[in-house]
Amino acid sequence: NAGVTQTPKFQVLKTGQSMTLQCAQDMNHNSMYWYRQDPGMGLRLIYYSASEGTTDKGEVPNGYNVSRLNKREFSLRLESAAPSQTSVYFCASSGSLSRTETQYFGPGTRLLVL
Amino acid sequence: EDKVVQSPLSLVVHEGDTVTLNCSYEVTNFRSLLWYKQEKKAPTFLFMLTSSGIEKKSGRLSSILDKKELFSILNITATQTGDSAVYLCAVERGSNYKLTFGKGTLLTVNP
Repeated sequence: NAGVTQTPKFQVLKTGQSMTLQCAQDMNHNSMYWYRQDPGMGLRLIYYSASEGTTDKGEVPNGYNVSRLNKREFSLRLESAAPSQTSVYFCASSGSLSRTETQYFGPGTRLLVL
Repeated sequence: EDKVVQSPLSLVVHEGDTVTLNCSYEVTNFRSLLWYKQEKKAPTFLFMLTSSGIEKKSGRLSSILDKKELFSILNITATQTGDSAVYLCAVERGSNYKLTFGKGTLLTVNP
């Protein structure tokens, strides 16, 4: 039982490049989330998916797109990376949107945009 | 705009000390307040508080919520080096279940 897995663990991009961060969970959770965490900051919600087939914007969605591929997988895409997107990205999942206390986090992807 | 403020931002103590971490909030349609511990990587869940005045305990950690004064405290007694981490407070809105996080308190416990 791996929980929430994220790939890659670390990535360096040049400004303007695109990439997709992958996230998968094996807990049969309905809801999934993408957060970013900048130095000295708490986590900020980028996008979330309440259930398979739905996605919604969070607090800081600009510059990102998401896809809920199936119940297990939720990907985050940067179409044209900018230095301001240098951050650590966490994926999380929970049993349902209202079961916040069950929100489990993945190990994070550290992204550096030059 | 929802706001969560944690204090202090960092704290250095010696093993065996007791620490109190603070979290104050302003949020529309409050549903719950959550505490997380973040070591090197992912945050891990500690407590969820929904009712005022009811203490949640887990070993040496305890937390309480004051919904009238809009704050929560996290206490750690007899601290150990393994308690060194960033402690995050987050508040959940009832309308959409979204979490707003504070910046965290970096706790360093020295032997």
